Amino acid sequence: DTAVSQTPKYLVTQMGNDKSIKCEQNLGHDTMYWYKQDSKKFLKIMFSYNNKELIINETVPNRFSPKSPDKAHLNLHINSLELGDSAVYFCASSQGVEGGNGYTFGSGTRLTVV
Amino acid sequence: GESVGLHLPTLSVQEGDNSIINCAYSNSASDYFIWYKQESGKGPQFIIDIRSNMDKRQGQRVTVLLNKTVKHLSLQIAATQPGDSAVYFCAENRNTGFQKLVFGTGTRLLVSP
Repeated sequence: DTAVSQTPKYLVTQMGNDKSIKCEQNLGHDTMYWYKQDSKKFLKIMFSYNNKELIINETVPNRFSPKSPDKAHLNLHINSLELGDSAVYFCASSQGVEGGNGYTFGSGTRLTVV
Repeated sequence: GESVGLHLPTLSVQEGDNSIINCAYSNSASDYFIWYKQESGKGPQFIIDIRSNMDKRQGQRVTVLLNKTVKHLSLQIAATQPGDSAVYFCAENRNTGFQKLVFGTGTRLLVSP
C-alpha cells in the first residue's frame, strides 16, 4: 500500500538511449511532481502536473517529457540521455495547488548514464 | 551542536544530545515551511511543518522555529538517537498561484552511540 511508488528503482543505461520512469500515487492527490537530486544531494523541482495538466516546467531540457495519463500517474520520459542526467529522480504528490499542503515523496529512481 | 545548511555540512552529535539544524530561506513571500528527513536510499520523509503566521511549532522530540525577520528556520531535535542519523532538508513553499516546494541544501546529521 505504498503511497507514491516509482519504477524502476535503479536504471543504468548508455548515453544516447531513451528511457522512462513511472510514478503512481494512491493518495487521491491532485498534483504530482518530478524532482531531481544531484550528487551533492541538492533537490530541484523539474515539473508539476495538476489533474493531468502541466503547471510548472522549470526550464528543463526538451529531452525530458513528462506524461500524465490520469491524475494518479506521472511518467517521465528522457530522450538522448547524457552523462549529466545521472541523478536520483523523485516523484511526489500533494493535494491542491494553492497553499501549503503536505507533499509525499516516492523512494526515488537512481539513473546512471554511462 | 548547531549547523548551517550550506554545501551539505555535517553535524556530529552524541546520542542523547540535543541537535539544532539551521536553514536560511530566500523568499519572503513563502507561506509554508517543511522539514524533511532523508535516509540513505529513500525519499524525503516529512518531519514537521510550520506556516508563516506562526513562529514555533512542536512535535514529538522536534521543534521548528521560524524567524521571518531574518528568513531563518531551525529544527531542534531533543535527545537525539542513532536512528535520527540522516540528511535533513528545509523546504519553503512558494505560492505564486501554484505551489512549488524549494529545498535548501541539506545538513547531514551523524549520531554516535
